[in-house]
Amino acid sequence: ETGVTQSPTHLIKTRGQQVTLRCSSQSGHNTVSWYQQALGQGPQFIFQYYREEENGRGNFPPRFSGLQFPNYSSELNVNALELDDSALYLCASSLGQNGYTFGSGTRLTVV
Amino acid sequence: ILNVEQSPQSLHVQEGDSTNFTCSFPSSNFYALHWYRWETAKSPEALFVMTLNGDEKKKGRISATLNTKEGYSYLYIKGSQPEDSATYLCAVQTGANNLFFGTGTRLTVIP
Repeated sequence: ETGVTQSPTHLIKTRGQQVTLRCSSQSGHNTVSWYQQALGQGPQFIFQYYREEENGRGNFPPRFSGLQFPNYSSELNVNALELDDSALYLCASSLGQNGYTFGSGTRLTVV
Repeated sequence: ILNVEQSPQSLHVQEGDSTNFTCSFPSSNFYALHWYRWETAKSPEALFVMTLNGDEKKKGRISATLNTKEGYSYLYIKGSQPEDSATYLCAVQTGANNLFFGTGTRLTVIP
């Protein structure tokens, strides 16, 4: 049984650019949730995907978008990057709303 | 948005000491309480998921209690060891499909 894998582990982008972060879910899980952890804060819910459809969204602007693929892996896309988007982005997979398993995150720095 | 608070923010204990920390949350619209252990550069590791008022769960030297009526959970570590050093996160799951996290308690166990 594989866990949740996120890529890349670190990246640096320039303000205004676009970024795509990737997450492969744990075997048997059909739901992926994305969280943003800014410095000094707890993780904040961005959105969740269930069977390739968005299934809930937190308080993030539309330039944060996502996809889930038939194999339940997922992407988080952020357009028009701002300095405040610098954070650790965590992905968690689950079977429905039970048993969230987290990846180790992608550290995004916007300069 | 649900306000989940954890205290203390950080603490240092001597090896062998027992310790505990608190997670408090609004008691309305409660579904489950999650505790995670998070070491730097690793994935948050699920410790406990608790749903019922009065729940107590134990995993080795770590245990947790839940009071949903007054909106708090305690995490206890008995006989702390250096490998217990980590950030302990609690998260509240409401009827919706996301977790609301506290900012964590950072524990350092001094050998």
